[in-house]
Amino acid sequence: KNQVEQSPQSLIILEGKNCTLQCNYTVSPFSNLRWYKQDTGRGPVSLTIMTFSENTKSNGRYTATLDADTKQSSLHITASQLSDSASYICVVSANSNYQLIWGAGTKLIIKP
Amino acid sequence: DARVTQTPRDKVTEMGQEVTMRCQPILGHNTVFWYRQTMMQGLELLAYFRNRAPLDDSGMPKDRFSAEMPDATLATLKIQPSEPRDSAVYFCASAAQRSRISPLHFGNGTRLTVT
Repeated sequence: KNQVEQSPQSLIILEGKNCTLQCNYTVSPFSNLRWYKQDTGRGPVSLTIMTFSENTKSNGRYTATLDADTKQSSLHITASQLSDSASYICVVSANSNYQLIWGAGTKLIIKP
Repeated sequence: DARVTQTPRDKVTEMGQEVTMRCQPILGHNTVFWYRQTMMQGLELLAYFRNRAPLDDSGMPKDRFSAEMPDATLATLKIQPSEPRDSAVYFCASAAQRSRISPLHFGNGTRLTVT
């Protein structure tokens, strides 16, 4: 069964600290892996999209990694800011743009 | 900044009433998605359109839900009759289908409460 699992479910860190969110997937065939940020009361916003051949992709203070062999991805946030408080959702595409398998998300809270 | 626009932002209605949600995709995007998000289920795909043609609506309860694209600038999702279990946030997203890896652009959703 195609599944995307994220950990931790929630995380609280102090402003300025770094953190890493995890995503494990069992999706086949695999096309690409995406990370989305969802602020409370808003729609998800795309952070990164990585294909099979990409190991790392950065978007400002966000760096995503992908290990297609172990079917794991991580999202690293550097020097966290209060505006990083949101849910971060890992999404895996099973070979087409609409066959997206969504994770349940990690709720990140940044405290001053 | 081009964005997906959804109306209404919030809708409270009584069980049995018809609900219509509207979406204006980003100009030039030829694929449109309807998703439903709840705390229990996360994001679920309800329907998917490409070039205004429905390609997949298997995620929708067929007896009460319907999705259409009357033209390239408008997508609608209707529920008739609505039930309390339909309470959720409904998101519309659009994408430019130039390749298989184009990002989805989401609106800010319609929060539906059915009492």
